[in-house]
Amino acid sequence: QVQLVESGGGLVKPGGSLRLSCSASGFRFSDYYMSWIRQAPGRGLEWVAYIHSASYYVDYADSVKGRFTISRDNAKNSLYLQMNNVRVEDTAIYYCVRDRRELENWGQGALVTVSS
Amino acid sequence: DVVMTQSPLSLPVTLGQPASISCRSSQSLVYSDGSTYLNWFQQRPGQSPRRLIYKVFHRDSGVPDRFSGSGSGTDFTLHISRVEAEDVGVYYCMQGTHWPLTFGGGTKVEIK
Repeated sequence: QVQLVESGGGLVKPGGSLRLSCSASGFRFSDYYMSWIRQAPGRGLEWVAYIHSASYYVDYADSVKGRFTISRDNAKNSLYLQMNNVRVEDTAIYYCVRDRRELENWGQGALVTVSS
Repeated sequence: DVVMTQSPLSLPVTLGQPASISCRSSQSLVYSDGSTYLNWFQQRPGQSPRRLIYKVFHRDSGVPDRFSGSGSGTDFTLHISRVEAEDVGVYYCMQGTHWPLTFGGGTKVEIK
């Protein structure tokens, strides 16, 4: 079955950097768009970024554009989110999600806390 | 951005009774390919979201048939025919037609 496992979350200071990873299994990773969705504590869901199956194109929410970079390694069945110049408001659980329009499968999430 | 408005915010229900959640979009969700990318997600306490319904009314594998979706254009509804204890959680609608994709604010379903 489809499995998405995030890692790399933790505590980071404002202005710092963090890299999230997502390991995918149970499906042909290279056939699918992938997305990152986040959820601030006690809040709703917010789309962060998506990447084409072959990395041909990417897109970002305005709130993270210029600071976050989504990438993937199809040989390793892995998705990444490089988070630079993080802000307190980036504190959230970050979910790795299969697809970009239909968000079919979700990982368990990685908690990122931005605090001094 | 397309605004997704859910109602009610909170939905206390009696076990075995029906329930419905409304979701309205600020623009039509019909895409150029004819599909309507309106999904429903369930988030149980302490869990990640799980997709229940995609493209308005298609039920995901393993989702009980007491869940159904309906609607068109800008007005959509998630129906639960007979609420069970395991249905407690927050339900979100989401549109994938227009970019950026956007979510409703959520409806919290609880047992009376």
